[in-house]
Parts: sequence; C-alpha cells; structure tokens
Amino acid sequence: NAGVTQTPKFRVLKTGQSMTLLCAQDMNHEYMYWYRQDPGMGLRLIHYSVGEGTTAKGEVPDGYNVSRLKKQNFLLGLESAAPSQTSVYFCASSYSINQPQHFGDGTRLSIL
Amino acid sequence: GENVEQHPSTLSVQEGDSAVIKCTYSDSASNYFPWYKQELGKRPQLIIDIRSNVGEKKDQRIAVTLNKTAKHFSLHITETQPEDSAVYFCAASIGGGFKTIFGAGTRLFVKA
Repeated sequence: NAGVTQTPKFRVLKTGQSMTLLCAQDMNHEYMYWYRQDPGMGLRLIHYSVGEGTTAKGEVPDGYNVSRLKKQNFLLGLESAAPSQTSVYFCASSYSINQPQHFGDGTRLSIL
Repeated sequence: GENVEQHPSTLSVQEGDSAVIKCTYSDSASNYFPWYKQELGKRPQLIIDIRSNVGEKKDQRIAVTLNKTAKHFSLHITETQPEDSAVYFCAASIGGGFKTIFGAGTRLFVKA
C-alpha cells in the first residue's frame, strides 16, 4: 500500500515549456487535491476533484490545468511554465469531505 | 476570500516546556479543523483534528481546542521533545467541506 505517489520528484524547466505532474493513490479515495507550497505561505489549493471525471478550481488555479480520467490518478499540467510557478507541489487525497488528507512526497519544480 | 491566520510564525521552546499555536478562521460554516506536521523536506502529515461539535480533543501530548463563537482554535503540545521540531499547519474546511484552507505555518524549535 503505497498511499499517494507523485512523479517526478524534481524537475527543472525553462520558461514557456510544458509539463505534467502525475499523482496516483491506491486508497480508493474519491477526493484528490493539488497544492503548491511556497515559503511563508503554507499550502495553497490549485485545483481539486470530487470524483472521477470531475475537477474544480481552488485558490490559485491560473496557469494550471488538471484532469481526473481515472479515479486513482490526478494530473496537473503547466501549459507554458513561468518563473512564478517555481514551487513545491503536493498532491493529496481523502476518503470524503471533512476527512484527513493524505499527502504525497511532493514535486520540487524550478522554472528558469 | 476565506482565510486562516496562524500565530506565531516561529516558536522556540525548551525541551519539556509546552507549546501553543493559535489560529483564527473566517468562514463561519467551517466545521472541520485538522492540524498537520511537516518535517524538513517531508510531506505534511495529520497529527490531530477536531470537528465543530466538539470543544476539545486530546491525543497523548497533543490537544486541540475549538471556540466556534470566536472562530479560533489552538494546538497545545505538552512535554515537548526535540522530535517535535517541525512546521505545524492549522487548516479549516470551507466551501461545504469540499476544500481546505491552510494557515501559513508555525516553525517550532525544541531546544534540548
């Protein structure tokens, strides 16, 4: 039982490049979330999903897109990376609303 | 928008002393309040949570109190140990529980 797995763990991009971050969970959770963590700002919600085939915007969705084609996977895409998107990205999942979230190990993304 | 304020941003205590971290929230409909601990370079992990129908919850050396009228909640760690050193995040559910908003974090140092 791996929990929540994020790939890749590290990535360096040039401005304007695109990439996709993958999150996979094996706990059969309905809810999945993408956060970014910047120094002194805690965790900010980018997008979330309440079930397979659904997505919704969080606090800071601009510049990101997501997809949840399969219940166990939640993809975060950057279409045209900008230096302001340099951050640590965490994926999380939960069984239902108002339940603990289980986090992945994070992806450290640098955009030059 | 909705927010969670967390204080202090940094807290230094002597081993064996108590530590208290305080948070206030803005959404009066919030009814779930988790606390996460994040060690350096690691994922956030739930340490305790409380729901709005409970005023206090305790788990060994950790306790959380909730005052819904004042919209604030606190984390209490007694008999602190060096391994308690980490960043602690408070959080509150918003949007009917579909989303969680996090405080900016408190960096706790426990000096041996």
